[in-house]
Amino acid sequence: EAQVTQNPRYLITVTGKKLTVTCSQNMNHEYMSWYRQDPGLGLRQIYYSMNVEVTDKGDVPEGYKVSRKEKRNFPLILESPSPNQTSLYFCASSLTPANTEAFFGQGTRLTVV
Amino acid sequence: GNSVTQMEGPVTLSEEAFLTINCTYTATGYPSLFWYVQYPGEGLQLLLKATKADDKGSNKGFEATYRKETTSFHLEKGSVQVSDSAVYFCALRGNTDKLIFGTGTRLQVFP
Repeated sequence: EAQVTQNPRYLITVTGKKLTVTCSQNMNHEYMSWYRQDPGLGLRQIYYSMNVEVTDKGDVPEGYKVSRKEKRNFPLILESPSPNQTSLYFCASSLTPANTEAFFGQGTRLTVV
Repeated sequence: GNSVTQMEGPVTLSEEAFLTINCTYTATGYPSLFWYVQYPGEGLQLLLKATKADDKGSNKGFEATYRKETTSFHLEKGSVQVSDSAVYFCALRGNTDKLIFGTGTRLQVFP
């Protein structure tokens, strides 16, 4: 089954404690991205990757890092989480950047206290 | 820059009522337009799309027509069901290839 898998689904952590949210897709997609969803703001892109070893900032990259060492994986790293990073995070992938359909993971709800 | 504006929710309807969720956009060039749906506890799924002016996207009884003259892509369904309760996002993909989302509209359908 074609899917994008994120882990964990829920995470509560403390300010400053480094964390990683994993994302994996099994569709051999080139393009992957991370979004955060906040009430009243919709989805905002954090980072994206056009292919292996190619990543770039989205609209709200501050406080986040990503890596793309393999085509299928695109982890999101918060080196020093802060309460304003409490949000619902989604990973998405598509065959190419211009491909019309993006596939989304189920989301990771992160709470930073 | 490119942007999407959609009506605020929640939209509350009785089963079998007619649904309209308004969406307008600002974009240079000729963007592709989308509606995504997010069911409770899940990620977003593509509901329908239209890639050029006057195209009509349709799926699961939902429809939306790409209106370039009014820069709109309103979502409609003739008879909603309780199972349609979800959050609906209008989105566009323009010349930068980035998906730009509206803020989402929550639909609640009661029996």
